[in-house]
Amino acid sequence: EADIYQTPRYLVIGTGKKITLECSQTMGHDKMYWYQQDPGMELHLIHYSYGVNSTEKGDLSSESTVSRIRTEHFPLTLESARPSHTSQYLCASGETGFGGYGYTFGSGTRLTVV
Amino acid sequence: AQSVAQPEDQVNVAEGNPLTVKCTYSVSGNPYLFWYVQYPNRGLQFLLKYITGDNLVKGSYGFEAEFNKSQTSFHLKKPSALVSDSALYFCAVRVRASGTYKYIFGTGTRLKVLA
Repeated sequence: EADIYQTPRYLVIGTGKKITLECSQTMGHDKMYWYQQDPGMELHLIHYSYGVNSTEKGDLSSESTVSRIRTEHFPLTLESARPSHTSQYLCASGETGFGGYGYTFGSGTRLTVV
Repeated sequence: AQSVAQPEDQVNVAEGNPLTVKCTYSVSGNPYLFWYVQYPNRGLQFLLKYITGDNLVKGSYGFEAEFNKSQTSFHLKKPSALVSDSALYFCAVRVRASGTYKYIFGTGTRLKVLA
């Protein structure tokens, strides 16, 4: 079934640890995005990719990095987790065009750094 | 079924004129409502939100939106449009589903501001 998958759903980790949040989609979308959902609940773009080997930083300053080696896979890595990284992270893929869109969001990863 | 509707695929407005991008919703309970903008080759960018309180909310770049509960609408407005406002605009609602929250997005409205 075509969908987008994020793992883990929940993660509690100690300060200084390296973590990778996984995101995979089976819809063949070229465009993928990572959003951070802050306490105010709106989404803020942190990274995006328009295809293999294409990655760009978004609007929100982030200490994370991403890679896009395969179309279906767009992992996000924190080299050294800090309590300020505690948040909900949402992965999305989709195509936009005139008159419509095809955004699909993953279920999210809730990260807590202690 | 819960849904968000943006009835206009495209809105054209002359620079300096007021603009309105329409959004209506059909959800249970008290929704949290959002507007996002997407410029070419970028992801979604948050503009403003309504959670509770004053029905008129102000956001980034001079945009504002009016929440109307009786009409279940959340139209985006700006008193004076700029050419640089030309982009794709998405209305979204956050709803609770299966013990978690999810976003429902409208289909998007392309705003074209003409010089």
